[in-house]
Amino acid sequence: NAGVTQTPKFRVLKTGQSMTLLCAQDMNHEYMYWYRQDPGMGLRLIHYSVGEGTTAKGEVPDGYNVSRLKKQNFLLGLESAAPSQTSVYFCASSRQGATRNQPQHFGDGTRLSIL
Amino acid sequence: AQSVTQLGSHVSVSEGALVLLRCNYSSSVPPYLFWYVQYPNQGLQLLLKYTSAATLVKGINGFEAEFKKSETSFHLTKPSAHMSDAAEYFCAVNDYKLSFGAGTTVTVRA
Repeated sequence: NAGVTQTPKFRVLKTGQSMTLLCAQDMNHEYMYWYRQDPGMGLRLIHYSVGEGTTAKGEVPDGYNVSRLKKQNFLLGLESAAPSQTSVYFCASSRQGATRNQPQHFGDGTRLSIL
Repeated sequence: AQSVTQLGSHVSVSEGALVLLRCNYSSSVPPYLFWYVQYPNQGLQLLLKYTSAATLVKGINGFEAEFKKSETSFHLTKPSAHMSDAAEYFCAVNDYKLSFGAGTTVTVRA
């Protein structure tokens, strides 16, 4: 049981390039999330999805787009990468949140550097 | 609105000593609180969660946390630190979206 898998694990981009980060979960979770982690700032929510075909903005959505075409996959896209997007990106998933006590399960992260 | 404040970005303890990590929260609804641990180059793992059933919550690896409504706190403790406890710890509150504190890095001295 793999849990949450993120690909790639590392990537270096040049300013202006585009790329897509892939997140896959095998726990049949309804909810999926994308976060970025920067030193001293904890994790900040970029976008999230409460089900297949739905997405919503989080705390820091600018410069990112997402898609959830299949329940098990959640894609994060950078259309024109900027140095400010250098960060570690985490994907997470959780069961449907009718109650707020459902923990999130995290992938191991994607380390992205924008030159 | 909700927020989480972790007091102290770095904590250094001796092996065998008490570990105390402080977390204060604000929430407009009864809070659901979590502690996560992150080891180097890994994602976050759930240590424990508070869901209103009991104020003292026991988690994995010997950690526990006590919810104090009057102090709006959810501090994490472990009686005796082990070298393997060296990691970064995050407190989080769930108000339909999870909000994280800035994290506390724990180092353990031999």
